[in-house]
Amino acid sequence: DAGVIQSPRHEVTEMGQEVTLRCKPISGHDYLFWYRQTMMRGLELLIYFNNNVPIDDSGMPEDRFSAKMPNASFSTLKIQPSEPRDSAVYFCASSGEGALGGYTFGSGTRLTVV
Amino acid sequence: GQNIDQPTEMTATEGAIVQINCTYQTSGFNGLFWYQQHAGEAPTFLSYNVLDGLEEKGRFSSFLSRSKGYSYLLLKELQMKDSASYLCVQDSNYQLIWGAGTKLIIKP
Repeated sequence: DAGVIQSPRHEVTEMGQEVTLRCKPISGHDYLFWYRQTMMRGLELLIYFNNNVPIDDSGMPEDRFSAKMPNASFSTLKIQPSEPRDSAVYFCASSGEGALGGYTFGSGTRLTVV
Repeated sequence: GQNIDQPTEMTATEGAIVQINCTYQTSGFNGLFWYQQHAGEAPTFLSYNVLDGLEEKGRFSSFLSRSKGYSYLLLKELQMKDSASYLCVQDSNYQLIWGAGTKLIIKP
């Protein structure tokens, strides 16, 4: 298995532009998570899905952020409009039923909003 | 991180042993993860403890005391490649509570 695949690896965009981050979870995993990591706040859970259904989006910072999972093999995190404070590394992770195997993270998308 | 306490930074010598401690809130506890994260990379799974006691996995061991809300990660025979951040993570019903991580610096 290729693991959790995220794209793009790096994104530089201007303030006010729309940004879309993509994630392909490991095949067969029922849970998908979007995290944001910054030096100041560490890793923060933004939203997670179970069987393509959003379960908890309480970590989504504001209405500018939205996430979708149209099918079991694809999810997007969209920021519109983007702001400089959104600059961070965004990780997608997936896991199967049970937590003993741990969560598998993608390589992350480093977002810079200028 | 919410309710997770671990040291911000530790320094150790190559070949030595280091113990990274973590305390957490015991309510809503399912298990305790340790993750390793090298600079600029994604976190990678090291261990998951559900029951009390020590679990050994090669040079790395993880200990859990549920009654005390305490865990530690023990790294033996330290190598330079072990320089990384080590994240203590509480599993609470598929929601992970992440510690801020302990940056481990290995010196020759």
